[in-house]
Amino acid sequence: EAQVTQNPRYLITVTGKKLTVTCSQNMNHEYMSWYRQDPGLGLRQIYYSMNVEVTDKGDVPEGYKVSRKEKRNFPLILESPSPNQTSLYFCASSLVFETGSPYEQYFGPGTRLTVT
Amino acid sequence: TQLLEQSPQFLSIQEGENLTVYCNSSSVFSSLQWYRQEPGEGPVLLVTVVTGGEVKKLKRLTFQFGDARKDSSLHITAAQPGDTGLYLCARGGSNYKLTFGKGTLLTVNP
Repeated sequence: EAQVTQNPRYLITVTGKKLTVTCSQNMNHEYMSWYRQDPGLGLRQIYYSMNVEVTDKGDVPEGYKVSRKEKRNFPLILESPSPNQTSLYFCASSLVFETGSPYEQYFGPGTRLTVT
Repeated sequence: TQLLEQSPQFLSIQEGENLTVYCNSSSVFSSLQWYRQEPGEGPVLLVTVVTGGEVKKLKRLTFQFGDARKDSSLHITAAQPGDTGLYLCARGGSNYKLTFGKGTLLTVNP
């Protein structure tokens, strides 16, 4: 089954404790992306990756790191989480048009993170 | 950041009614995607429109892309409770970024 998986689905942590949210896709997509979703602010792109070893900042990259060492995996790293990073996080993957515009995104089930 | 404005922000209607939601921008889209998100789940793609003036139909849902490729609409005919959800539009640019609107939260009451 074609899918994007994320782990963990729920996480409660404390300020400053480094954490990683994993994301994996089995569709051989070049493009992967992380989003956060907050009430009243919608879905905002954190980082994206056009292919292995190629990543770039989205609209809200501060406080986050990513890496793309393999095509299927795109982990999100919070080196020193803070309460304002409490949010619902989604990973997504897709193909890419020749123009550089991403095709339809396949989303993972989400990770609800609470930082106290 | 090139913003996408979605309206209305909230919409509550009775089963059987028709509705239209909108997605607008001040700049041209290279492509526009519509998604529906149900509580606790990730968004799921409904349709992608690429060509100005394009109209696509998905059962009771009709999607239209403006001629100037700066706006789009989603029309639902005879809404059903199963249509309840958050409807999001997203624009793709030529720089690999994807920008989402804040969405329209639709509630269809039985």
